[in-house]
Amino acid sequence: DGGITQSPKYLFRKEGQNVTLSCEQNLNHDAMYWYRQDPGQGLRLIYYSQIVNDFQKGDIAEGYSVSREKKESFPLTVTSAQKNPTAFYLCASSPRGRENTEAFFGQGTRLTVV
Amino acid sequence: GNSVTQMEGPVTLSEEAFLTINCTYTATGYPSLFWYVQYPGEGLQLLLKATKADDKGSNKGFEATYRKETTSFHLEKGSVQVSDSAVYFCALRDNAGNMLTFGGGTRLMVKP
Repeated sequence: DGGITQSPKYLFRKEGQNVTLSCEQNLNHDAMYWYRQDPGQGLRLIYYSQIVNDFQKGDIAEGYSVSREKKESFPLTVTSAQKNPTAFYLCASSPRGRENTEAFFGQGTRLTVV
Repeated sequence: GNSVTQMEGPVTLSEEAFLTINCTYTATGYPSLFWYVQYPGEGLQLLLKATKADDKGSNKGFEATYRKETTSFHLEKGSVQVSDSAVYFCALRDNAGNMLTFGGGTRLMVKP
């Protein structure tokens, strides 16, 4: 089955550590996105990539980094510079340049700083 | 830039009540419009969509009509169930087709 997979579902990080969240898709989508969701809040865009080896900052990119070496993969690293990383992280993908198509979401990773 | 505004929640209804969640948008051109649903602890799932003016999207008893003249895409359901309790997000994708813009989400709670 085609889809988008995030792992792990739950992740715990000690203060001062970097941690990487995985996002893989087998939908052959060009565009991929990372969103952050805080309790009771909407989605805020962290980074997005419309093509391999290219990505752009979203609204809240500080303290995060990404790479896009393969079309299928768009990992997000939460660095120690991110002061409040505890949140629910959602990855999504979509075809590029087709405005009538939806984005597909993974099941999310809940990151907790301990 | 593009923006989506939806009514703040939570919206609390009794089972079998009528549901309306308002959504208005600002965008250039003719964006596509979407409603997503998020159940607790999960990602977002597409509920319905409409890609041009006057289109009606529908799924699982939910409906929304793309109103260009009022820049709105209100979500409605005639008779809600407890299982409809979730957070609902309105979103748009612009003509360039590259980005989704989301509203802030509306939590729906349906009581038996």
